Amino acid sequence: AQTVTQSQPEMSVQEAETVTLSCTYDTSESDYYLFWYKQPPSRQMILVIRQEAYKQQNATENRFSVNFQKAAKSFSLKISDSQLGDAAMYFCAYRRWEDTDKLIFGTGTRLQVFP
Amino acid sequence: KAGVTQTPRYLIKTRGQQVTLSCSPISGHRSVSWYQQTPGQGLQFLFEYFSETQRNKGNFPGRFSGRQFSNSRSEMNVSTLELGDSALYLCASSLDPGESSNQPQHFGDGTRLSIL
Repeated sequence: AQTVTQSQPEMSVQEAETVTLSCTYDTSESDYYLFWYKQPPSRQMILVIRQEAYKQQNATENRFSVNFQKAAKSFSLKISDSQLGDAAMYFCAYRRWEDTDKLIFGTGTRLQVFP
Repeated sequence: KAGVTQTPRYLIKTRGQQVTLSCSPISGHRSVSWYQQTPGQGLQFLFEYFSETQRNKGNFPGRFSGRQFSNSRSEMNVSTLELGDSALYLCASSLDPGESSNQPQHFGDGTRLSIL
């Protein structure tokens, strides 16, 4: 069975600084997808960034980028130029290639941003 | 374009009762998935529906069931409610969950269910 581990329950960063959230996963599959979702207090899960396992190039979305290390089964999220609005719970998620919409989530990292 | 709509937003029930939660996907989306979020267990997959058929199911007891209608709207039902069923129930929809699809899921705001 696939598992996703987020070892940092809480992280904090100062506004305009950079922070990296860690995620590791376990799978025997070779093709899969990885995601980072953000859940602010409003509760809605918002997709931040996604990565297809067959792509070697790390995904980037504006201030958000990932460091995908397939051999190490590591998928960290880097947030550059942190903003107060980045404060939220961040979840790492895994999806098998053929499992359509079944996401396996990590336990989450609560990110605080200080002015 | 309207997002994923879940109703009701809050719900309070007592043990032994049953409850039905509703989810309207984004227009054009055909796949709907449900997740349970609790402080203890985190986010857990309940089930996924596509074209009125259950395509995938998580590890939950038979008290948890769902269905999808021809307009892609979905409902989930929980019977004989237990205290441990208190949770945020999230619904997500996607465009087309065909094999190897990388279509992302869009989540609703969830229904907060409290069992007294």
